[in-house]
Amino acid sequence: GDSVTQMEGPVTLSEEAFLTINCTYTATGYPSLFWYVQYPGEGLQLLLKATKADDKGSNKGFEATYRKETTSFHLEKGSVQVSDSAVYFCALSGNGNKLVFGAGTILRVKS
Amino acid sequence: GAVVSQHPSWVICKSGTSVKIECRSLDFQATTMFWYRQFPKQSLMLMATSNEGSKATYEQGVEKDKFLINHASLTLSTLTVTSAHPEDSSFYICSAKWREYEQYFGPGTRLTVT
Repeated sequence: GDSVTQMEGPVTLSEEAFLTINCTYTATGYPSLFWYVQYPGEGLQLLLKATKADDKGSNKGFEATYRKETTSFHLEKGSVQVSDSAVYFCALSGNGNKLVFGAGTILRVKS
Repeated sequence: GAVVSQHPSWVICKSGTSVKIECRSLDFQATTMFWYRQFPKQSLMLMATSNEGSKATYEQGVEKDKFLINHASLTLSTLTVTSAHPEDSSFYICSAKWREYEQYFGPGTRLTVT
């Protein structure tokens, strides 16, 4: 079945550092790909999405490109802030809009 | 953006009792809602898909008689954990489908069964 693998955390960075969180997927067909973020005490929020190969999703300085050849959707940000500290989930959706999530990566940004 | 609420945010109950969790889409109508379960330091696992006016579709391995789902209106879905046991203690999260490719998530309900 469909699955998502993302790098284990926690990832600890200093403010203004470059962020990469790796995500790869296994799916039949051509799924849509997502990054969700969960801030402490809050529900998941959609951060960005890409619905077809080579699409780039972007939001709040975060970017991810749908790479079909490597089945990847890595999340990047050029300069992280303390307020970016959260749990980040990579997810895919095939038929039926069901979401399959990765395990989540905790990001901690130190000032 | 669209808002989804859950009630209660946390609940403690005794083993053998039943607990109902509500999920509401506050500013949009949702024909489809989803229920997830999240274990500590683990990802979300889809339990069931709830469609307004019809029976829920449960994922493999989820006991439909234990986790009763009702989607009585376009803004409300409920999950009832029947005869709860300590192993049912978990974080339950709902989401509502807003449009193609987009779901909005509730803040979750922490259930502790003693």
